[in-house]
Amino acid sequence: SAVISQKPSRDICQRGTSLTIQCQVDSQVTMMFWYRQQPGQSLTLIATANQGSEATYESGFVIDKFPISRPNLTFSTLTVSNMSPEDSSIYLCSVKTGHYGEQFFGPGTRLTVL
Amino acid sequence: QQQVKQSPQSLIVQKGGIPIINCAYENTAFDYFPWYQQFPGKGPALLIAIRPDVSEKKEGRFTISFNKSAKQFSLHIMDSQPGDSATYFCAASIGSGGSNYKLTFGKGTLLTVNP
Repeated sequence: SAVISQKPSRDICQRGTSLTIQCQVDSQVTMMFWYRQQPGQSLTLIATANQGSEATYESGFVIDKFPISRPNLTFSTLTVSNMSPEDSSIYLCSVKTGHYGEQFFGPGTRLTVL
Repeated sequence: QQQVKQSPQSLIVQKGGIPIINCAYENTAFDYFPWYQQFPGKGPALLIAIRPDVSEKKEGRFTISFNKSAKQFSLHIMDSQPGDSATYFCAASIGSGGSNYKLTFGKGTLLTVNP
């Protein structure tokens, strides 16, 4: 497994602003992911954070709205840009370890947009 | 298109009961099937996982049953306790053939275990 931390743990933001969420892992991992979990809902993959190259986004998510950085094998950031109330969600990072794709999640960042 | 269908949406059992949560998948390329447990305000925690080369896997009080031909898998919790009350998510991914291990989640089951 891996120990994953996220900052901030929660935030309340105004419409039109941006928030950058940090994800730190205690060991080097090749694959990191960002998910969104809307209130009372399941998890939806936003993108795969690739070290040294652009992130790979899933359908419905674009780089202009959710820019991602992955400067090294232990750290990634997700920015939620030009926020609206519809962006209010829990944002989670995860890392893949092991041979069969085991993924471990961080504690999440609870974002409320007013 | 929902690729992993989970049922029931919610489940209430008495302490000591055996809740069963079911999932069905559509993509036959999936080859890794984990279950996650999530408590309010926390990130999902990997509980147990199975690959399609086995029909059952047990870890402590948690058992996964897997039926490849029916494209279904289920989670059984033996001797359930109030501390097991949480939301459970099944998921599936493709771990080979160049895919990047993306997890597709079911919609979740809210389990309540009454004392």
